[in-house]
Amino acid sequence: RKEVEQDPGPFNVPEGATVAFNCTYSNSASQSFFWYRQDCRKEPKLLMSVYSSGNEDGRFTAQLNRASQYISLLIRDSKLSDSATYLCVVSNNAGNMLTFGGGTRLMVKP
Amino acid sequence: NAGVMQNPRHLVRRRGQEARLRCSPMKGHSHVYWYRQLPEEGLKFMVYLQKENIIDESGMPKERFSAEFPKEGPSILRIQQVVRGDSAAYFCASSDSMGETQYFGPGTRLLVL
Repeated sequence: RKEVEQDPGPFNVPEGATVAFNCTYSNSASQSFFWYRQDCRKEPKLLMSVYSSGNEDGRFTAQLNRASQYISLLIRDSKLSDSATYLCVVSNNAGNMLTFGGGTRLMVKP
Repeated sequence: NAGVMQNPRHLVRRRGQEARLRCSPMKGHSHVYWYRQLPEEGLKFMVYLQKENIIDESGMPKERFSAEFPKEGPSILRIQQVVRGDSAAYFCASSDSMGETQYFGPGTRLLVL
């Protein structure tokens, strides 16, 4: 079983749609959680950190359920520029090693 | 304020040659991390270094791979006697302390012929 699992997609959605991605992780001792975005042949860029209380940044909402070891990302009012691969990322308890999921590919169509 | 810099951006090597990948962290950052992304796969942690020290190399292959972060100059990831399976994108990240947000460089794409 992979340490961080994501549905690879692709998710093909029209502009303006709401789309949700899920992720599960296996290490219950994980300390920090993130969503990164990676465009084709580019480096990962931090989208947002994820907290148990849930957090929102504009059109993006992230949730963490530690009991279920489950992380989610919701994107509202999708834009063409949201097309990318979304990486679920978990850090170990020392905070020095990030473990990446395989990514979920999103394609927003006009 | 320059971000994480990596060079070269693209590197072509023949089997058996050596590859040297360089990473300059963001200004003020003293923690460097190397990750490898094989084609169509997620990023995998390789090594974590602070100035002059390897802190965690649990993700490094036991042979042919080494990393350093000298007191002066960039961090270097060195791959000796490259094989085709080493072809991948190698990303460097930096942070200002352990556990803080890691910022990634643009990566070095290594192709082994």
